[in-house]
Amino acid sequence: RKEVEQDPGPFNVPEGATVAFNCTYSNSASQSFFWYRQDCRKEPKLLMSVYSSGNEDGRFTAQLNRASQYISLLIRDSKLSDSATYLCVVTFSGAGSYQLTFGKGTKLSVIP
Amino acid sequence: NAGVTQTPKFRVLKTGQSMTLLCAQDMNHEYMYWYRQDPGMGLRLIHYSVGEGTTAKGEVPDGYNVSRLKKQNFLLGLESAAPSQTSVYFCASSAANEKLFFGSGTQLSVL
Repeated sequence: RKEVEQDPGPFNVPEGATVAFNCTYSNSASQSFFWYRQDCRKEPKLLMSVYSSGNEDGRFTAQLNRASQYISLLIRDSKLSDSATYLCVVTFSGAGSYQLTFGKGTKLSVIP
Repeated sequence: NAGVTQTPKFRVLKTGQSMTLLCAQDMNHEYMYWYRQDPGMGLRLIHYSVGEGTTAKGEVPDGYNVSRLKKQNFLLGLESAAPSQTSVYFCASSAANEKLFFGSGTQLSVL
């Protein structure tokens, strides 16, 4: 099983749709989780951190399921400007080691 | 609010030439990273550092060397560039288990 796995997509959705992405991770002791957004040929930018209790930022909701070892990102009322690649990030540190792993990303295209 | 600064933004090299990419951060972060990203691919970790004077290999370290002589700087060196090293390079920094801040990237072409 890969350390961090995402469905590469592409997800093609119409404007206004709700879309959800999942990201699974293999290390049950992982500590921190993030969603990043990357536009073509640009640097990744933090979209949101993911907290155990779940968190929401406008149209975006992030959830963590430790039992099943996945995080999710829900985008409501999709906009054309949401078209991008979404990357999940998982970190672990302990016993002298540190690991930060990116998923390969899920591509979203929002269609007019 | 400089954050993470990478230089240069663009570079063209001939096969066999050497160069150094500079990454500087002003957030007092302990951790710094160098990634490469090829068209249509995910980020691949080249090397990283968990503190001044320390470096470690990532997923694709061959052909690259790094140094972290000062906490705020992380240098990536290519001793003898190859066409396979044509890529976009991103530097990032973070505190432990915290979010990464990225530089704007360096587009490197090796002819």
